[in-house]
This record gives sequence, C-alpha cells and structure tokens, in this order.
Amino acid sequence: DTGVSQNPRHKITKRGQNVTFRCDPISEHNRLYWYRQTLGQGPEFLTYFQNEAQLEKSRLLSDRFSAERPKGSFSTLEIQRTEQGDSAMYLCASSLLGTSGRATKPGNEQFFGPGTRLTVL
Amino acid sequence: AQSVTQLGSHVSVSEGALVLLRCNYSSSVPPYLFWYVQYPNQGLQLLLKYTTGATLVKGINGFEAEFKKSETSFHLTKPSAHMSDAAEYFCAVSDDGNRDDKIIFGKGTRLHILP
Repeated sequence: DTGVSQNPRHKITKRGQNVTFRCDPISEHNRLYWYRQTLGQGPEFLTYFQNEAQLEKSRLLSDRFSAERPKGSFSTLEIQRTEQGDSAMYLCASSLLGTSGRATKPGNEQFFGPGTRLTVL
Repeated sequence: AQSVTQLGSHVSVSEGALVLLRCNYSSSVPPYLFWYVQYPNQGLQLLLKYTTGATLVKGINGFEAEFKKSETSFHLTKPSAHMSDAAEYFCAVSDDGNRDDKIIFGKGTRLHILP
C-alpha cells in the first residue's frame, strides 16, 4: 500500500445523474477526509470520518451529498441529482490518530489522494 | 474561525532566483501551519509544517518557512528556484491535533519558473 487511492480519476456526467466516488486510504489510517477543490481555489473541507463514524459535515455538503465509510476502511462519496456547480476535483485524505486521542505527531499529517475530477454537463 | 490569505495568485521567478511565497493566517488558538504543493494532475504533497518549537521549519526540496507570530505570517522560501518547482502551492492552517484536524487552505499561489 503506497498511498491513498481514488477511483475513478475522471467522471463526466449529465446534469441530474447520480455519481459515486471511492477512496481507499492508507491501510492503518483511522481518519478519512473529503475535500472539494474548484478551479482557482484551495481545497475546501467537506466531511471526515474517524473509523466508521462521520464526525463532522461542512455546510458545503448539501442534502444531495452523502458519504459513508461502512467498515472503517474505504469510503464512498455520492452526489445525487448532480448540478453543473458540482463540477470540481474531489480530494480524499487520510491520517492516523493515536489511540490516546492525540495525533501520533502534532499537526496530524493528512496524506492526499490524486483526486476525482467531476465534470457535470 | 481560522483562515489563510496567500498574497499573489501567480508568482514568476527566474531559474536560480529566490522563491518567496507569502502567507498570512488568522487563528484564535495556537495554529498548526502547513505548506502543500500540487503538481498538475496529482494530489497534494506536504512540503513542511510548523507545530511547536523552532520557528524556522525546513521541508523537502530545499524549501523552508518561518513562523512569525507577531506578523501572523508563514512565508515559504527557497534560495534558488529550479524548473521542477513549477507547481501550485497552498498554505494551510489547522488547530490542535486533538480535535478534528480539519485543514483550512488558502486559495493557492501558482509558481512559474522562467528559464
């Protein structure tokens, strides 16, 4: 396992269709994050999981968006009834939080995947 | 709320010249600060981070950054630019690693290297 992987790398869909992206984190990492990056902007936080529990969701995550991490390993991000404004790069990151509740290193490093680029026509 | 401001969406330097990418942050708690680099069609890669201790932080590829609390700055420098440094650079902030570790990114600065 050399890093975080994301599939597909590119997705083109028509407005109104549903899409699902997958993220496979680094195997021992218990935290998993989703970010969205639009053109000319930095990544924006969407949501994160600790093991299988979804602990926080951004206001950016509308009701059309849902994320799961059923077994605490891989995660999926689904967008229902896609809109043109959903076109963006969707980034996944993972990190390891120590069992005491503290990060194993201060400033918990997140390792990013290559992203899934979504284009909604 | 935490935020990051990167001055200059595009910076051009000649090969061999000093690279300086500016970042200012806002945080109500002691911040953790990061610089990430993104090459075309690739994910984000951590260049360096400041957590506690020494305020001058050295990272990969010859980059370094200095945390200046009085100026709320964390500028990224490299003494001599190389063509391979052309990429987009993101400054970022997060709070104590005990909590959500959510990272707040700046809008990025695209670095162009002129031959």
